[in-house]
Amino acid sequence: SQQGEEDPQALSIQEGENATMNCSYKTSINNLQWYRQNSGRGLVHLILIRSNEREKHSGRLRVTLDTSKKSSSLLITASRAADTASYFCATDAVGNEKLTFGTGTRLTIIP
Amino acid sequence: DTAVSQTPKYLVTQMGNDKSIKCEQNLGHDTMYWYKQDSKKFLKIMFSYNNKELIINETVPNRFSPKSPDKAHLNLHINSLELGDSAVYFCASSQEGFLNEKLFFGSGTQLSVL
Repeated sequence: SQQGEEDPQALSIQEGENATMNCSYKTSINNLQWYRQNSGRGLVHLILIRSNEREKHSGRLRVTLDTSKKSSSLLITASRAADTASYFCATDAVGNEKLTFGTGTRLTIIP
Repeated sequence: DTAVSQTPKYLVTQMGNDKSIKCEQNLGHDTMYWYKQDSKKFLKIMFSYNNKELIINETVPNRFSPKSPDKAHLNLHINSLELGDSAVYFCASSQEGFLNEKLFFGSGTQLSVL
């Protein structure tokens, strides 16, 4: 079964607004990563957060991790048209030897 | 220069055929992967190799055979293609294969089996 599931499946917002997407997972993790996938392209790593971290920033990205709720959120501030893409979380579950991806949130930024 | 490159980008073929997808990385990474992304965008690992040695071999039909001639290359050969094999296949690499490393992906090969 999937470890990570993103919510919502799709999100459309106006350029300049903030976008928030969530990832929930089932079992304890060591790390959680977020990736972006532009249409027809491969995934690009955005940020990694460790299980003992609660928040990380990278430019306009802010990731939070709540291990008690087994969830993470990715916030993109001041969205731009170029942020239109699918966003995936990937978890490294304790005792598992592979990275498991969710099905992604498709984000559309309306100019 | 593209860090992880895979060819071809599109592959359209008939059921029953045999096809290969090639992947090369110029990052000097030790570990390479094959992932399959289905029509619902679900991305699932198929294989991983570290320095030419098979590390992960998920429950994949034995019609799929990876080959790593050196640590910079990981090719995927598929025999007797079936309709259900239609998907996008991604090659990826990471420095040493630890799960806290970021993955670098190729741009994908869209396989359509008719």
